[in-house]
Order: sequence, then C-alpha cells, then structure tokens
Amino acid sequence: NAGVTQTPKFQVLKTGQSMTLQCAQDMNHNSMYWYRQDPGMGLRLIYYSASEGTTDKGEVPNGYNVSRLNKREFSLRLESAAPSQTSVYFCASTPLRGAYSNQPQHFGDGTRLSIL
Amino acid sequence: KQEVTQIPAALSVPEGENLVLNCSFTDSAIYNLQWFRQDPGKGLTSLLLIQSSQREQTSGRLNASLDKSSGRSTLYIAASQPGDSATYLCAVINYGQNFVFGPGTRLSVLP
Repeated sequence: NAGVTQTPKFQVLKTGQSMTLQCAQDMNHNSMYWYRQDPGMGLRLIYYSASEGTTDKGEVPNGYNVSRLNKREFSLRLESAAPSQTSVYFCASTPLRGAYSNQPQHFGDGTRLSIL
Repeated sequence: KQEVTQIPAALSVPEGENLVLNCSFTDSAIYNLQWFRQDPGKGLTSLLLIQSSQREQTSGRLNASLDKSSGRSTLYIAASQPGDSATYLCAVINYGQNFVFGPGTRLSVLP
C-alpha cells in the first residue's frame, strides 16, 4: 500500500528559483497538510486542505502557495526560493480535518530541500 | 496559542531498560493527543492516539498516558530494544484547530 507519496525526495535550488513539491494519497482521505520540519522546532504547518476545493493557511504560509488538484493530490509551490526555506517538507493526510477525526495522520517520507 | 514541549531532547539507554518520554502542552482543552515515531530520513509513523476522554492507550510494549488537567502525557517503553532507536514526537489538537507538534525526543538504545 502506497499511502502518502511525495516527489521529489531531494532537491537543490538556487535562490530565486521556483519549484513545486508533489503529494498524492491513495486512502480516499478528505484532508491533506503540508508541514516543514527544522532542527529543534518540530513540525510546523504551512498550509492545509480540509476538503477538495478548499485550502487554508497554517502557521508559516509566507513564501508558499498550494493547490488541491483533486481529492488525491495536494501540491506545494515555492515561487521564489530563499535560503530560509531550506528544510524537510512533509505531506500528511487524514480522513477528516483535525478535531473532526480521531484517526491518526498518515505521513509521506518527506522532501529534503536545500536552497543555495 | 498551544505550545508543546518534550523532555528530554535526547536519551541514551542500554538495551532492556524501561523508559519514559514526556510531553507537555499549555492548553489543556485538547481533542486528542498522538505519539509518533520518526526514523532517520523517513516520515512520521503513528504509534498511539489518546482521545480526550481516555487516560491511556497500549500497543505491545508501548503505553501512553494522558493527564489533561496537568497538560502532560507520557510514553512508556518497556524492555527497550535497539530497534526502538528513533525520534519520538507527540502532537496535540484542540477543537477547531490543527495539530501542534513537539520538537521530539531522540532515543538511542544501546546493545
């Protein structure tokens, strides 16, 4: 079972370049999330999509945009990459958003992104 | 604003020891609390989920407890094994909010 799949796994960018991180889930989940993980800071929510057709900002949305392409796919775009965006990015999904679900979040394996 | 802390940041124990990992949160009105395991270079795997009405959950050698009133949860690992070496994170969610994660405890179990 694939679960949550993220591509690419690694990427190096130069400052100012743009790129899109892809995420797809095959569990028919309604809600999807993008997090970044930095040393000593835990995971911080960038954007989430409670259901197909909706997206909302999380704790650290600046410099990012998202698209919920369909129920399966949720992409994260960096329009003009900055060194401060060097991080590990995780996509996750749940059947329903947050407090409406007592189901655990399912995570992808992450995208390791370095901005030079 | 909900804040989650985990103590200790890192822990090294010999194989076979029982150990306790701690998670504290500032807003006790949580909906549930989850413990995750993260292996190097991997995503998070859910270990245990405790609903706000529950006091504890058990899975194999793992036992998680929840004391909402004091804003604390503990993850107890019995008879630790080298394969338990990983980073353990807790996350809480309040009504109408999103998950808030702690920074994690990095566990090393030495053979």
